Amino acid sequence: SQQGEEDPQALSIQEGENATMNCSYKTSINNLQWYRQNSGRGLVHLILIRSNEREKHSGRLRVTLDTSKKSSSLLITASRAADTASYFCATAPYTGGGNKLTFGTGTQLKVEL
Amino acid sequence: DARVTQTPRHKVTEMGQEVTMRCQPILGHNTVFWYRQTMMQGLELLAYFRNRAPLDDSGMPKDRFSAEMPDATLATLKIQPSEPRDSAVYFCASGAGVREKLFFGSGTQLSVL
Repeated sequence: SQQGEEDPQALSIQEGENATMNCSYKTSINNLQWYRQNSGRGLVHLILIRSNEREKHSGRLRVTLDTSKKSSSLLITASRAADTASYFCATAPYTGGGNKLTFGTGTQLKVEL
Repeated sequence: DARVTQTPRHKVTEMGQEVTMRCQPILGHNTVFWYRQTMMQGLELLAYFRNRAPLDDSGMPKDRFSAEMPDATLATLKIQPSEPRDSAVYFCASGAGVREKLFFGSGTQLSVL
């Protein structure tokens, strides 16, 4: 079963707007990661946030983590058409679970000109 | 740039035929994962290895799928016999640890007729 569930499933915005995607998970985690997948391509790692961190930035990306609510959000500021892709969160369990990453169902982001 | 290499990129075969997919992980990475992606099921973990040893292959149909790492530079995923329901994109990913960020290959798009 999926550990992470992204919300919304699909998001359409205009270029220049901000895009926010959310991820909820069920069990304690060691870290949470966000990936991007362009159509027909493999996933690309964007950012990793550890369980003892609350916020992390990378360029136009901002990730927050709330372990008490078991949720994370990915904010893309000043979106561009090139940001059109699917975005996945993946969780690494704190212990057990085979210590393996489990991916969510993804958010499809479309950025229109 | 180091990258995960998957071959073939596309494979069309007939039901009952054997399919072999290959993956060359990034040099120095000690974990290798095989994922399957479909519209209906999303990303499913099939199997993964650490230091060439299989850690978890519970996601694979054992009667027809097999995954091996004959050496540190090659991982293989075989389907025998293949069935139409196996049609999907198969991704290989490698990482420096089971909880660390993953580098994905471009995938093998498999169509079983």
